[in-house]
Amino acid sequence: GAVVSQHPSRVICKSGTSVKIECRSLDFQATTMFWYRQFPKQSLMLMATSNEGSKATYEQGVEKDKFLINHASLTLSTLTVTSAHPEDSSFYICSARIPGQAVGDGNTIYFGEGSWLTVV
Amino acid sequence: EDQVTQSPEALRLQEGESSSLNCSYTVSGLRGLFWYRQDPGKGPEFLFTLYSAGEEKEKERLKATLTKKESFLHITAPKPEDSATYLCAVFSGYSTLTFGKGTMLLVSP
Repeated sequence: GAVVSQHPSRVICKSGTSVKIECRSLDFQATTMFWYRQFPKQSLMLMATSNEGSKATYEQGVEKDKFLINHASLTLSTLTVTSAHPEDSSFYICSARIPGQAVGDGNTIYFGEGSWLTVV
Repeated sequence: EDQVTQSPEALRLQEGESSSLNCSYTVSGLRGLFWYRQDPGKGPEFLFTLYSAGEEKEKERLKATLTKKESFLHITAPKPEDSATYLCAVFSGYSTLTFGKGTMLLVSP
């Protein structure tokens, strides 16, 4: 079946630095990818929708300049956390949708394994 | 605004002790309700999609049902490997899903 891969699975960075997380669709082309953030024991919160070849659509309250999203190809979207601070420490998950299939079918939305970010 | 509430927040069962998880939702024009399983430190794994009231789907020890206001995930004779957080999400026509906070299930041998 379809697979979405995230890298790195865990990353520790110093406060003030930037860190990039990659999300790849391994055996399908994803015109749309989604980035979520999840705090311990909390639900997945949608941060932004990444569209190939165009600007990402951010959810209300998400800082565009802090969470840079690039979807340069049909198989890769990246999330860059700029000038990271300890409060940015979280679990970041991406998902991808197979184009051409009805979004109403959850089977067409695949999730990556997630990336743990710790800012020290 | 779509809302999803899951209960209980946590559930502890003995192996073989059947139970149900609840997902209540408020959505304008439900186009799909989804159940996912999430293991600690992992991304969600798809389980079921339900589209209309009265629909039921089964997979091994799990059965999902849907009414106009809620969905249940029934777990029959659970095993320790069923321990995970179960997430419910709804889709109402926008580009992605609205998730509940999940139910953390722990099955003891």
